[in-house]
Amino acid sequence: AQSVAQPEDQVNVAEGNPLTVKCTYSVSGNPYLFWYVQYPNRGLQFLLKYITGDNLVKGSYGFEAEFNKSQTSFHLKKPSALVSDSALYFCAVSLTGPRVDKLIFGTGTRLQVFP
Amino acid sequence: ETGVTQSPTHLIKTRGQQVTLRCSSQSGHNTVSWYQQALGQGPQFIFQYYREEENGRGNFPPRFSGLQFPNYSSELNVNALELDDSALYLCASSGLNTEAFFGQGTRLTVV
Repeated sequence: AQSVAQPEDQVNVAEGNPLTVKCTYSVSGNPYLFWYVQYPNRGLQFLLKYITGDNLVKGSYGFEAEFNKSQTSFHLKKPSALVSDSALYFCAVSLTGPRVDKLIFGTGTRLQVFP
Repeated sequence: ETGVTQSPTHLIKTRGQQVTLRCSSQSGHNTVSWYQQALGQGPQFIFQYYREEENGRGNFPPRFSGLQFPNYSSELNVNALELDDSALYLCASSGLNTEAFFGQGTRLTVV
């Protein structure tokens, strides 16, 4: 069965420092992986996806994610955090391969960026 | 902001009642998916509608049902509401080979 795990409930980082939000996955077959962000009282906003190709995927708002097949990981990264990046981040895997709209989500990681 | 709109934004219902939530998909998208997000949890896939037909279902009981209309808007119906149905219900629309675009959700409280 497909699943994702986000081992950290919360990540705290100072503004200007690099940030990493961790995600590991378990899939049968090729993984199709996503990151979404959720601000308070809002829906989910798409950040980036990995379907195939380069292991380093660049997305919205300066975020990027590194796909590591041997470690079955897809960690979200940003070189320099902003206070406005504080939000709830979800990693997800597609249930249906290239059809990227049926998703299994992790439990989320709350990112807190301090001034 | 995505072009996906949901109504109402908030709703309070009594246990045993029935509820209908609505979603208008983004222009050009013919697929709508529904997710339930309980407090402190990630969204869980309920079902998907493609061209007015159910196209996949998650681990939810039959009292969760849906419809998709010719304009690709959608409804989620929940019968015999239970306290555990209290959650944020998210609708997402997608087109061919596009990622899912989410609405802002409907917060349902069952008392």
